[in-house]
Amino acid sequence: AQSVSQHNHHVILSEAASLELGCNYSYGGTVNLFWYVQYPGQHLQLLLKYFSGDPLVKGIKGFEAEFIKSKFSFNLRKPSVQWSDTAEYFCAVNAGGAGSYQLTFGKGTKLSVIP
Amino acid sequence: DGGITQSPKYLFRKEGQNVTLSCEQNLNHDAMYWYRQDPGQGLRLIYYSQIVNDFQKGDIAEGYSVSREKKESFPLTVTSAQKNPTAFYLCASSAQVTSTDTQYFGPGTRLTVL
Repeated sequence: AQSVSQHNHHVILSEAASLELGCNYSYGGTVNLFWYVQYPGQHLQLLLKYFSGDPLVKGIKGFEAEFIKSKFSFNLRKPSVQWSDTAEYFCAVNAGGAGSYQLTFGKGTKLSVIP
Repeated sequence: DGGITQSPKYLFRKEGQNVTLSCEQNLNHDAMYWYRQDPGQGLRLIYYSQIVNDFQKGDIAEGYSVSREKKESFPLTVTSAQKNPTAFYLCASSAQVTSTDTQYFGPGTRLTVL
């Protein structure tokens, strides 16, 4: 069974600082990778996703993530965070292929951005 | 206005009572899912359904039941057999039953057992 690890439980940054949230998964085959974000009081929503092709994926609100297959990682980055980025971020994975649409989520990372 | 609706937003129940959480979608999606979210635990899959009248257990199905009689509806019943039901419950749907399809989430129902 696949699993997802998010190493940071809570990250606190000042505005304009750079962000990198770690995500590692354990599954040896083809995977599809997702980052979801949950802003305070809002629905969980998709930030970006990777299926194939260019391992550097760009998402909404200036976020990007890089898939490094050899490291089983899919870290989320943003060059300069804003107060409005305060939210909880979840990495998720499913095994690519027919019938493999169950998402396995990491435990989430809370990001607090200080103005 | 398209999307996923969950009701109620907050739900309180006494120990030993069954309670049903509603999930409706008007996105014409085939697949629907129920997740449980606990602090520090992330999301865990309870049940999912690929098509009407069909559903499968997820990772933590014990103490829960579901039905899928209509494409747009996927209610979750939390039974008295669920040992620790207090949690935030999220419903999701996806257009097709493929591994690359995005899941869209509802606003959630917070269940508290008194």
